Amino acid sequence: GAGVSQSPSNKVTEKGKDVELRCDPISGHTALYWYRQSLGQGLEFLIYFQGNSAPDKSGLPSDRFSAERTGGSVSTLTIQRTQQEDSAVYLCASTSLWGTNTEAFFGQGTRLTVV
Amino acid sequence: AQKVTQAQTEISVVEKEDVTLDCVYETRDTTYYLFWYKQPPSGELVFLIRRNSFDEQNEISGRYSWNFQKSTSSFNFTITASQVVDSAVYFCALRPYNQGGKLIFGQGTELSVKP
Repeated sequence: GAGVSQSPSNKVTEKGKDVELRCDPISGHTALYWYRQSLGQGLEFLIYFQGNSAPDKSGLPSDRFSAERTGGSVSTLTIQRTQQEDSAVYLCASTSLWGTNTEAFFGQGTRLTVV
Repeated sequence: AQKVTQAQTEISVVEKEDVTLDCVYETRDTTYYLFWYKQPPSGELVFLIRRNSFDEQNEISGRYSWNFQKSTSSFNFTITASQVVDSAVYFCALRPYNQGGKLIFGQGTELSVKP
């Protein structure tokens, strides 16, 4: 597709379960970001991938959170043993860093609800 | 430190009023990019504008205008003759050149335009 695609769009899970959130970036974009947005809050940086470089994981809130990016394209954000405070919208964005078009394009997000 | 500050949490105006959203940034890099995004109630982040640090020329796009001033590290956004459809959360973001592409957001300003 032409834009950043995230799946699922909504996820309800029980506390303590693991969840996987998927992001398909725009084809050819080398950089991929994950952000978290809690209700009424700003964008909290989680992790950033750029090409073959080691990811910047400085925003991951705990070791229950992890992410990978396979083949420089699709990324999966995994949350283990979910807690109620993990409830939020998880946003993915991609960009090509160099050249004239350097803005990040965002997906529509995955709304995660932990009950 | 790399930081973006949007001091105005909420702004409420009446339709047709002009409104300015403030953005102040901090970075040690001499090369960087600045962005504004709009997040309407639907939730999807929409790119509005990109500026690089070498281009201080202000920009106007219809009712939108941006004032970039390196001397004060500010990148303010003005909406002229506001409309109800402008109601949204607006985010300012910084991408320092030497941070490997990390995109740093401000906390956002919620604009409410009343008829």
